[in-house]
Amino acid sequence: DGGITQSPKYLFRKEGQNVTLSCEQNLNHDAMYWYRQDPGQGLRLIYYSQIVNDFQKGDIAEGYSVSREKKESFPLTVTSAQKNPTAFYLCASNPGRGSRSYEQYFGPGTRLTVT
Amino acid sequence: RKEVEQDPGPFNVPEGATVAFNCTYSNSASQSFFWYRQDCRKEPKLLMSVYSSGNEDGRFTAQLNRASQYISLLIRDSKLSDSATYLCVVNKYSGAGSYQLTFGKGTKLSVIP
Repeated sequence: DGGITQSPKYLFRKEGQNVTLSCEQNLNHDAMYWYRQDPGQGLRLIYYSQIVNDFQKGDIAEGYSVSREKKESFPLTVTSAQKNPTAFYLCASNPGRGSRSYEQYFGPGTRLTVT
Repeated sequence: RKEVEQDPGPFNVPEGATVAFNCTYSNSASQSFFWYRQDCRKEPKLLMSVYSSGNEDGRFTAQLNRASQYISLLIRDSKLSDSATYLCVVNKYSGAGSYQLTFGKGTKLSVIP
């Protein structure tokens, strides 16, 4: 089955630690995205990548870093510089530039709790 | 004005009722429009795209008014399984062949037996 996987589903960390969230897709999509969702809030874009080895900051990139070394993988690191890291993190992908580049497919998300 | 604004909700309706959600967007250059559904503690999933001529998918009807920058979703004959949060989503061109989605905060619907 094609889709997006995120692991783990729940993640707990102590304040001051960096943590990396995994996102893998086997849809052969060029574009991948990371969003953050807080309770009662809409999704906010953290980083996105249109192609391997290239990525751009979204609206709330401070305190986060990403890499895109492989088409299938787009890991997100939440650094200790992120002031309010506790949130629901969603990874998404779409085919990218060209046809039907609009609909985004989401992974199941990772709930990160930092105490 | 926020980029995408939705009715605050929550909407509590009886089974069988008709319910309408409204959404406005601020960027007149927006090109594509969608309604996503998000169940509690789950990821959003595409419910339907919204076309200028309006479109219908079973009990769901979506309308777009570009002049007023307004999008709507109508659900007829509500089912218990329709209970979820409905997200209004707008896609805009961000340059170099890239598009970005902007999400509304969502409107929560609870269908009551």
